[in-house]
Amino acid sequence: GAGVSQSPRYKVAKRGQDVALRCDPISGHVSLFWYQQALGQGPEFLTYFQNEAQLDKSGLPSDRFFAERPEGSVSTLKIQRTQQEDSAVYLCASSLRRGPDNEQFFGPGTRLTVL
Amino acid sequence: ILNVEQSPQSLHVQEGDSTNFTCSFPSSNFYALHWYRWETAKSPEALFVMTLNGDEKKKGRISATLNTKEGYSYLYIKGSQPEDSATYLCAPDSGTYKYIFGTGTRLKVLA
Repeated sequence: GAGVSQSPRYKVAKRGQDVALRCDPISGHVSLFWYQQALGQGPEFLTYFQNEAQLDKSGLPSDRFFAERPEGSVSTLKIQRTQQEDSAVYLCASSLRRGPDNEQFFGPGTRLTVL
Repeated sequence: ILNVEQSPQSLHVQEGDSTNFTCSFPSSNFYALHWYRWETAKSPEALFVMTLNGDEKKKGRISATLNTKEGYSYLYIKGSQPEDSATYLCAPDSGTYKYIFGTGTRLKVLA
């Protein structure tokens, strides 16, 4: 079956622009996660959804970052007024249920470059 | 769980060589350890989930061991092939949904 997909795969933005990154999780997966991987670092947790509810947004680096999952499936990560330090790979993952026994399946990521 | 360290950061090996790398993590609040392989331009792919001290898992030429008391896991690749070239990530899990990833080991296998 289809895995997690993300679009666009690559995005170049000028500093100050707003961007929107899309994640299509595996159908039926309840949990959805966003991670940010800066150059030379491991992926870092940004936020977590269970269905449409955003249960944890503790990893969002600033109030310029906003995520939503209005119908409990597709999710969008929006970054307003992008800055150069926002340049990173943004990974989305989904898992079938909530809880620690559920493997997270990752998408290929969106590489954002802010000029 | 903080301070997840992976070593080496990168390495180059010749085709056919065997290699191994390390993931170190705080041993408190341990629930599970996840290993992922991430090839360029692809999705991170789950290799192993390990939970018990002394666990050994194997998948083809790749195997992993786990020591939860001292807080480390080893990943071994026997007879490396060019298609093994990837970044290998570990992520200890304290029983929540939140994975804490190491910085990864970037492996390049030279033909």
